[in-house]
Amino acid sequence: DGGITQSPKYLFRKEGQNVTLSCEQNLNHDAMYWYRQDPGQGLRLIYYSQIVNDFQKGDIAEGYSVSREKKESFPLTVTSAQKNPTAFYLCASSAGTYYEQYFGPGTRLTVT
Amino acid sequence: GQQVMQIPQYQHVQEGEDFTTYCNSSTTLSNIQWYKQRPGGHPVFLIQLVKSGEVKKQKRLTFQFGEAKKNSSLHITATQTTDVGTYFCAGRGGGTSYGKLTFGQGTILTVHP
Repeated sequence: DGGITQSPKYLFRKEGQNVTLSCEQNLNHDAMYWYRQDPGQGLRLIYYSQIVNDFQKGDIAEGYSVSREKKESFPLTVTSAQKNPTAFYLCASSAGTYYEQYFGPGTRLTVT
Repeated sequence: GQQVMQIPQYQHVQEGEDFTTYCNSSTTLSNIQWYKQRPGGHPVFLIQLVKSGEVKKQKRLTFQFGEAKKNSSLHITATQTTDVGTYFCAGRGGGTSYGKLTFGQGTILTVHP
């Protein structure tokens, strides 16, 4: 089956710890994205990558970091600098910038 | 920066009633996409509109793109319980903004049987 996988589904961390969210796709898509979803605020873009070894900040990149060493993988690290990290994180990919995006099942991160 | 506003935030309907959600952008869009997110799920792509004044239909769903390419709507005829979920529009800017998608806040649709 082709698709996007995110792991884990639920993640709990203590304040002050960095945490890395996994995103893998086997759709052979060039572009990958990370979004954050909070109630009543839609999806906000954190980082995106249009090609391997390149990525750009989205609208709310502060406190987050990413890497794109392989076409299939786009992990997101939520650092201790992120002030409100508790949220639902969605990874997506697309064949190119102007194509529809395919979303993974998401990771719900809770930081206490 | 580009803003996309979506209304209403919530809509409760009886099964069989119609439903419409509206999307308005602060800037002219190159295209607009619509997504549906079922409760507890992830967004799933529905459609993309590109041309000014474009209208597309998918069974009971009708999507419109405004003449000025700054607004869009999704209309569902005779809602069913399977239509429950959050509907998002996502506008793509043009020019130097690389064409990133900006999502509206979404409309949460509840259908009472």
